[in-house]
Amino acid sequence: GAVVSQHPSWVICKSGTSVKIECRSLDFQATTMFWYRQFPKQSLMLMATSNEGSKATYEQGVEKDKFLINHASLTLSTLTVTSAHPEDSSFYICSARGQWGNTIYFGEGSWLTVV
Amino acid sequence: QKEVEQDPGPLSVPEGAIVSLNCTYSNSAFQYFMWYRQYSRKGPELLMYTYSSGNKEDGRFTAQVDKSSKYISLFIRDSQPSDSATYLCAMSEYGGATNKLIFGTGTLLAVQP
Repeated sequence: GAVVSQHPSWVICKSGTSVKIECRSLDFQATTMFWYRQFPKQSLMLMATSNEGSKATYEQGVEKDKFLINHASLTLSTLTVTSAHPEDSSFYICSARGQWGNTIYFGEGSWLTVV
Repeated sequence: QKEVEQDPGPLSVPEGAIVSLNCTYSNSAFQYFMWYRQYSRKGPELLMYTYSSGNKEDGRFTAQVDKSSKYISLFIRDSQPSDSATYLCAMSEYGGATNKLIFGTGTLLAVQP
């Protein structure tokens, strides 16, 4: 089946630094990838929709200059959390939908802890 | 009011029980409905995918959609301890590569051996 890979699976960074999370579709081309954030015991909140070759579409309330998204190829999207603060600590999950399919597959998620 | 409402639980059942998980929604434009299972500290895993109203069965899992009531259900037969996880409903207006999902808050299920 379709596989979406995220890296790193967990990361600890210092406050004020930036951290990049990668999302790769391993066996299919993903024209669109989605980035979610999930706080403990809460549901997934969509942050942005990442479109290959164009600018990401951010959800209301999500700072595009803080959460930089790049979708440079049909198999890779990256999320960079810039100037990270402790309140950015969360579980970040990407998902991908193929060009022709209706189903969405999720990565394993990346745990970010900002200290 | 949230677009998708889901009882967060926790729901505790004995092994072998039939589990019923539900979501209600307010947007009548939703046409695609999904159930995901999420184990602790892992990404969601797609369990069931249905379009419009009706039932769909896959092994021990049955998904039901009642668009007239804006209500969807997931039934798990012969529940196993390995089914213990958070179950998320999700839905979207359109299919296709670019449409986004709206999630419920998830129901935490614990199946006791």
